[in-house]
Amino acid sequence: GENVEQHPSTLSVQEGDSAVIKCTYSDSASNYFPWYKQELGKRPQLIIDIRSNVGEKKDQRIAVTLNKTAKHFSLHITETQPEDSAVYFCAASINAGGTSYGKLTFGQGTILTVHP
Amino acid sequence: DTGVSQDPRHKITKRGQNVTFRCDPISEHNRLYWYRQTLGQGPEFLTYFQNEAQLEKSRLLSDRFSAERPKGSFSTLEIQRTEQGDSAMYLCASSLALREFGDTQYFGPGTRLTVL
Repeated sequence: GENVEQHPSTLSVQEGDSAVIKCTYSDSASNYFPWYKQELGKRPQLIIDIRSNVGEKKDQRIAVTLNKTAKHFSLHITETQPEDSAVYFCAASINAGGTSYGKLTFGQGTILTVHP
Repeated sequence: DTGVSQDPRHKITKRGQNVTFRCDPISEHNRLYWYRQTLGQGPEFLTYFQNEAQLEKSRLLSDRFSAERPKGSFSTLEIQRTEQGDSAMYLCASSLALREFGDTQYFGPGTRLTVL
């Protein structure tokens, strides 16, 4: 089955700096890669996702890049703010809508701390 | 609140007791997933439904676990003869899996189970 590795496990940055979190996946059939942010005691919240037909996607201060050949994808957060502090999870799935498998395989998580 | 809801939010039980959790998905969503999350880890897939049909079960789901989605709306997850190792956060997610839109999953707040 799919295996997703995530690094680093903890990341500490100063407010205004950029943060990068990297994930690798093992199943070349995976084609959907979401990122979730989870604050302490809260539900995982989708912050951005990318499908394998594109190499990069951006939403304001957040961007995700995908390298299918190397089977890795990364989350980039620019101009970090203290409220970005949380645990971030990457995930992968084989996703083709109505006929997809759908289940997400998650990475181990990255604890991001943004110091004011 | 039109998001995914779960009940109860917290459950404390004694080893050997049975527990049942409920998940109410976003109303038009046809897929419903159950995941388990232990402290410091990413969510792990347990099972999922498309409408009423249970399409996949993880090997993590022992015979003591059963899930239903009788009318294709809410779902229940029952754990029989609970063990201390069952202590975890049980997360539900739902999605509208259509071929042209993929399968973006939205999570509920979870039920935290503590087995004494």
